[in-house]
Amino acid sequence: DIQMTQSPSSLSASVGDRVTFTCRASQGISNSLAWYQLKPGTAPKLLLYGASRLESGVPSRFSGSGSGTDFTLTISSLQPEDFATYYCQQYFVSLSFGPGTKVDLK
Amino acid sequence: EVQLLESGGDLVQPGGSLRLSCVASGVTFSTSVMTWVRQAPGKGLDWVSSISSGGTTHYADSVKGRFTVSRDNSRNTLFLQLSAVRVEDTALYYCAKGRGSLFFLFDLWGQGTLVTVSS
Repeated sequence: DIQMTQSPSSLSASVGDRVTFTCRASQGISNSLAWYQLKPGTAPKLLLYGASRLESGVPSRFSGSGSGTDFTLTISSLQPEDFATYYCQQYFVSLSFGPGTKVDLK
Repeated sequence: EVQLLESGGDLVQPGGSLRLSCVASGVTFSTSVMTWVRQAPGKGLDWVSSISSGGTTHYADSVKGRFTVSRDNSRNTLFLQLSAVRVEDTALYYCAKGRGSLFFLFDLWGQGTLVTVSS
């Protein structure tokens, strides 16, 4: 099984901040990585797939990079609606999720 | 409107049974791999089960033999039958749609239905 890790587990930031968090796979997954945003009471939302491809309708302040085992998600200018928990997920072999990074207000 | 809508979550005693449903609208349900993912309180996302368009099923080891996934393509509905439930099955259960041949890339999720297992 492919294990996914994320860091940090949580971070505090302010509106307008640039934030970056990372996701690491226990073995190479090419670019078969997705990022999801979860907010309480709402449906999870696909943000990026293929490590760096922005899902339709997702603001361009979100970007992703990486290949192989190491990946990053960057929010260039944090907006109030971005306070949420972010999960990475590999779909290279079956599927597995990372433990999440919670972004809250500083 | 494009959406997945889960229902059926409830309080159930250990050892009991429950059936969850997920109705799809505005999407090509019949040709999509559909998946159940759960999130226990304060925890992350865990894959539970998936079913192909043709009915081939897959289960996480933690639920194998206790849960059964099925689908009715004529009603655009996905089901999850939970049996012999345990306290550790307590979670918010989401249904999610796979994108084409990328079976486990989930481009649409429901809002979830809460299952609480307690005596």
